[in-house]
Amino acid sequence: ETGVTQTPRHLVMGMTNKKSLKCEQHLGHNAMYWYKQSAKKPLELMFVYSLEERVENNSVPSRFSPECPNSSHLFLHLHTLQPEDSALYLCASSRRGQNTGELFFGEGSRLTVL
Amino acid sequence: AQSVTQPDIHITVSEGASLELRCNYSYGATPYLFWYVQSPGQGLQLLLKYFSGDTLVQGIKGFEAEFKRSQSSFNLRKPSVHWSDAAEYFCAVESSGAGSYQLTFGKGTKLSVIP
Repeated sequence: ETGVTQTPRHLVMGMTNKKSLKCEQHLGHNAMYWYKQSAKKPLELMFVYSLEERVENNSVPSRFSPECPNSSHLFLHLHTLQPEDSALYLCASSRRGQNTGELFFGEGSRLTVL
Repeated sequence: AQSVTQPDIHITVSEGASLELRCNYSYGATPYLFWYVQSPGQGLQLLLKYFSGDTLVQGIKGFEAEFKRSQSSFNLRKPSVHWSDAAEYFCAVESSGAGSYQLTFGKGTKLSVIP
């Protein structure tokens, strides 16, 4: 079992739909992240949660809404998305406060917006 | 602002050949540097990291990287490539100091291995 699990692995949605991506980590970490990976672009950090509080929001449009109900779970709620939002969304976790710099990534959720 | 440049988008090597993937960074302070690998359909996995000390760091799967401050580089090397090394490789620099883990990634280098 991988340490960071993302569901669904693939999602196709229309621009008027509302859907959610889920991430769960089994590593005892206390920080969780959402990254966006688009073709030919560097990975973009979207949100950071530390101890269940949002500590970073990198100018992400409001049609993306994160939720972190506890240190093991992270959601990304999606509504009225645009075709340019089609990408691979990666969840990651880490242990903040320890100088390791290591992020543990899930396998990603491939999102296609029609 | 910090940035990471991976000048090679795609590299093809023969199995058993040596490999060097280039990474240059722009960062004012002493950087924390990382190499991650992403196999098809997978998330990213940390190969190695540099924080301080010995400028030659060893990682998993037989990879190593050398930090050269004078060249602002952190190139990844492997003496003999295996077919299973075919993947995309990302260099990253930590943005704002120890503990923040806000990594700035390069665009990646895709490695193909010819049997």
